[in-house]
Amino acid sequence: AQSVTQPDIHITVSEGASLELRCNYSYGATPYLFWYVQSPGQGLQLLLKYFSGDTLVQGIKGFEAEFKRSQSSFNLRKPSVHWSDAAEYFCAVGVGGGADGLTFGKGTHLIIQP
Amino acid sequence: GAGVSQSPRYKVAKRGQDVALRCDPISGHVSLFWYQQALGQGPEFLTYFQNEAQLDKSGLPSDRFFAERPEGSVSTLKIQRTQQEDSAVYLCASSLVGQGSYEQYFGPGTRLTVT
Repeated sequence: AQSVTQPDIHITVSEGASLELRCNYSYGATPYLFWYVQSPGQGLQLLLKYFSGDTLVQGIKGFEAEFKRSQSSFNLRKPSVHWSDAAEYFCAVGVGGGADGLTFGKGTHLIIQP
Repeated sequence: GAGVSQSPRYKVAKRGQDVALRCDPISGHVSLFWYQQALGQGPEFLTYFQNEAQLDKSGLPSDRFFAERPEGSVSTLKIQRTQQEDSAVYLCASSLVGQGSYEQYFGPGTRLTVT
């Protein structure tokens, strides 16, 4: 069975600084990988996804992520964070591309310092 | 267009009561998913429908949990004889299978509190 690890429960970043959120997965074949963001009281919004091809994927709100097969990682990055980026971020893996149930990590809570 | 909607948004149930949670997917979306999100945790998969067929219910934690989607649109997640450990946010998602992206669109969730 697949699994996802997000090693950082909380991360604090100053506004305007760069951001990297870590995600490691466990799956025997090439996974389908997703990053979602959840603001308080809101549902999950998809930031970006990786299915195949270029290992650097661009998403919404200025986010990008890089798939590294050798490290089983799919880290999320943003060059300059804004206060509105404060939220919970979830990495997820799907074996059917999202056509079946996703397996989520426990999430990373992002705090933005002014 | 309208997104995924869920009702009620909040539900308080006494232990032992039955509850029913509703999900209205995006119109035309073939696939529908239910997830359970405990406090401070990531969502956990419960069950999945393609049209009216329930293709995977491996995540349902006990036989007290039952989901249906009789006409291939609206879905209901029913929990019988609720227990305190059922307290969580229940998320519904839908997707348009066959378009190559399989993006799951999530609703705002129903927060269930069992007292």
